[in-house]
Amino acid sequence: AAGVIQSPRHLIKEKRETATLKCYPIPRHDTVYWYQQGPGQDPQFLISFYEKMQSDKGSIPDRFSAQQFSDYHSELNMSSLELGDSALYFCASSPPGAGADTEAFFGQGTRLTVV
Amino acid sequence: SQQGEEDPQALSIQEGENATMNCSYKTSINNLQWYRQNSGRGLVHLILIRSNEREKHSGRLRVTLDTSKKSSSLLITASRAADTASYFCATESTSYGKLTFGQGTILTVHP
Repeated sequence: AAGVIQSPRHLIKEKRETATLKCYPIPRHDTVYWYQQGPGQDPQFLISFYEKMQSDKGSIPDRFSAQQFSDYHSELNMSSLELGDSALYFCASSPPGAGADTEAFFGQGTRLTVV
Repeated sequence: SQQGEEDPQALSIQEGENATMNCSYKTSINNLQWYRQNSGRGLVHLILIRSNEREKHSGRLRVTLDTSKKSSSLLITASRAADTASYFCATESTSYGKLTFGQGTILTVHP
């Protein structure tokens, strides 16, 4: 079965550079979530989209922006990268009609290293 | 502070033993979920328990939920070396789908 696809799997950037992370949800899933997991930390919710509109926002820095496109894939854009942005970034998706108690399916993550 | 706090932070057991991990949270929830993560890898969904459920089983996993104490436990029976991983609890509260994760328990199962 198709899963959530994230690209790239690994990314190395220098401080002050820009990075773009991509997420392709499971087909027919219309909700996408982004999480950030720092080294040895628990995943932290960043932002979510439902039907191409932002539906919720967590502790996402102003330097980050995200959007969901017409094909439901999502991109997380990160500018002016800092060393502290080094983390594993997860994308998850959930299907239409998802209310409470719906499992979100996670991708394998993108490991971003800022040097 | 985190919504979900886990206890213990690390657990080391022998193969065949049972492993119990606990999670506490602070606000009302729709459900509580447990995830597994192998070192630096993706999150794998293990089990979801709704706020109106008290216990749920899935294979060697048993999850309990006590909403009056705002706590949950995950029991892995007859553990195997392959169970070695980090285990996170995550709560879904009023914002559907958005999960708040706990700090995680690092489980090491020795062959």
